[in-house]
Amino acid sequence: DAGITQSPRHKVTETGTPVTLRCHQTENHRYMYWYRQDPGHGLRLIHYSYGVKDTDKGEVSDGYSVSRSKTEDFLLTLESATSSQTSVYFCAINERLAMRNGVPDTQYFGPGTRLTVL
Amino acid sequence: DQQVKQNSPSLSVQEGRISILNCDYTNSMFDYFLWYKKYPAEGPTFLISISSIKDKNEDGRFTVFLNKSAKHLSLHIVPSQPGDSAVYFCAASAEKSSGDKLTFGTGTRLAVRP
Repeated sequence: DAGITQSPRHKVTETGTPVTLRCHQTENHRYMYWYRQDPGHGLRLIHYSYGVKDTDKGEVSDGYSVSRSKTEDFLLTLESATSSQTSVYFCAINERLAMRNGVPDTQYFGPGTRLTVL
Repeated sequence: DQQVKQNSPSLSVQEGRISILNCDYTNSMFDYFLWYKKYPAEGPTFLISISSIKDKNEDGRFTVFLNKSAKHLSLHIVPSQPGDSAVYFCAASAEKSSGDKLTFGTGTRLAVRP
């Protein structure tokens, strides 16, 4: 358990409204990510962060922005939600464990947020 | 352009038998590969990984094989159990064998029949 929570877990909103999803982690990890999961596409990286105020775009960043003002929180904002942004959103952290002998470097995922844009 | 491909959307296997899940990739810069398991309404959980310097990695019932020349990897589960029923995602990274910035496949839904 990497101490990752996401809020809200479910949200229904209307086209054109702003939406912010929150990812919170309790273990001071530097690396955080936002993915969306859609049928036929697997998980696709939206944005990622290597630390406070250090963020960058992923594969499918159009229509999304992120902010990281504290190590523990990584916010994903849809400035004006569209129906194509209906999806399940996952936050993840990477502990950068590659230097630890025998421990694989991997990402740990939060429980997800199901967003429906009507 | 799907750089990581899982061409079988679903697989059904009898309990106790072997499950083989396949994954192909196109980006020759990928040097680290991972398998994740996902249950409904939960986030993906890490199963096993393999670096490109190896061709096999084993962890209990799970073994991952990597064929770099064919750009192909597979996950073997032996013996399969009903609790293994889930969606399995293959993922790859080109970030010097780290789990940074993963590219995922589309997933294979495994059903293990009792």
